[in-house]
Amino acid sequence: EPEVTQTPSHQVTQMGQEVILRCVPISNHLYFYWYRQILGQKVEFLVSFYNNEISEKSEIFDDQFSVERPDGSNFTLKIRSTKLEDSAMYFCASSEGVAGASTDTQYFGPGTRLTVL
Amino acid sequence: QQPVQSPQAVILREGEDAVINCSSSKALYSVHWYRQKHGEAPVFLMILLKGGEQMRHEKISASFNEKKQQSSLYLTASQLSYSGTYFCGTGISNFGNEKLTFGTGTRLTIIP
Repeated sequence: EPEVTQTPSHQVTQMGQEVILRCVPISNHLYFYWYRQILGQKVEFLVSFYNNEISEKSEIFDDQFSVERPDGSNFTLKIRSTKLEDSAMYFCASSEGVAGASTDTQYFGPGTRLTVL
Repeated sequence: QQPVQSPQAVILREGEDAVINCSSSKALYSVHWYRQKHGEAPVFLMILLKGGEQMRHEKISASFNEKKQQSSLYLTASQLSYSGTYFCGTGISNFGNEKLTFGTGTRLTIIP
């Protein structure tokens, strides 16, 4: 069964460093998302992406964050200058995009655990 | 504004039933239910749509009360594999690429 994959599974970085989290969405999906989950808390929306541009972003997704679809398969989240509070599990998700997100299932990847020291 | 889930946690013996509720102050178009086991990604269970039917996934079913803007997840004859945290994610429109707003989760523990 097709699945969303993410690399790396765990990233440790120093505060102020740049990190790039990578995702390969399900191949025929058109909508892509990043969510994050701080340990023990709820899943929070960061950004959605369609047709090579951001559709919506949350207040968490400030100028330090950016997303890109550099080729036909990868979807990346870049954090330019990491802060301690960026430590969280970051989930990529994708949906088919046929009927719109509210009727589309969003399939989540296994996540990347980011630890900022 | 995030949906509110209740209860926050529940402990069941194997075979018992439970109900998890997800309420919103906004008019909803859809409610998506996920189960997350510790250290893993949320796994999709089912979608409830405005005007839609009650849904079922194995022995788990869910309903959507449009008047109350509330969805309920019913776990019948619970199994050990049902343990995990259940999240509802809500959508307020049928527009493409809409974000899901997740509730704070309900931690379900099944004991033998």
